[in-house]
Amino acid sequence: QQQVKQSPQSLIVQKGGISIINCAYENTAFDYFPWYQQFPGKGPALLIAIRPDVSEKKEGRFTISFNKSAKQFSLHIMDSQPGDSATYFCAARSRSGGSNYKLTFGKGTLLTVNP
Amino acid sequence: DSGVTQTPKHLITATGQRVTLRCSPRSGDLSVYWYQQSLDQGLQFLIQYYNGEERAKGNILERFSAQQFPDLHSELNLSSLELGDSALYFCASSVRDNGNTIYFGEGSWLTVV
Repeated sequence: QQQVKQSPQSLIVQKGGISIINCAYENTAFDYFPWYQQFPGKGPALLIAIRPDVSEKKEGRFTISFNKSAKQFSLHIMDSQPGDSATYFCAARSRSGGSNYKLTFGKGTLLTVNP
Repeated sequence: DSGVTQTPKHLITATGQRVTLRCSPRSGDLSVYWYQQSLDQGLQFLIQYYNGEERAKGNILERFSAQQFPDLHSELNLSSLELGDSALYFCASSVRDNGNTIYFGEGSWLTVV
């Protein structure tokens, strides 16, 4: 079964701290791992993504760490800010037939950064 | 603003009724996806269309159907509505069908009473 398990469900971090959200998967056919950020009342928006041939990708304060052997990947938010307070979803892409792909999402992590 | 437009933003309807949610993808995007978001199930993939053709089906109930029209807008039809269908329904679009970067609309809140 194609699942992506995300933890924790919620996370509270102080301003300036590091936020870490973890995801695990079973399907080795997943070939692309994006993270989406969703603010209240808005749709999810692509934040950062990684392919399984690299172990880390950094964009500003956001870093994805990828462990292919453990089938785990995580999002690190350095120097967390109150404006980062949102729900974060990890996702994994798989081929659903022919040249078609689909994304499977984790259940989300509600991040609250206290000032 | 992602460029994906969804209407209506909010909808309240009674059990047993039928509703239609509409989505206009970003200009130039050929692929449209529908997702259902609920507190307990997270983001669930329902169905995908690419240039008018159905490409993939996820956890879509038989009471639900969708289509993509020649102008690339899409509609999700929900019928025989049940209380459990209350959720936020997202449309997303992408240029291609490779699922790399998909852009979500702001969703349609459906409440079934």
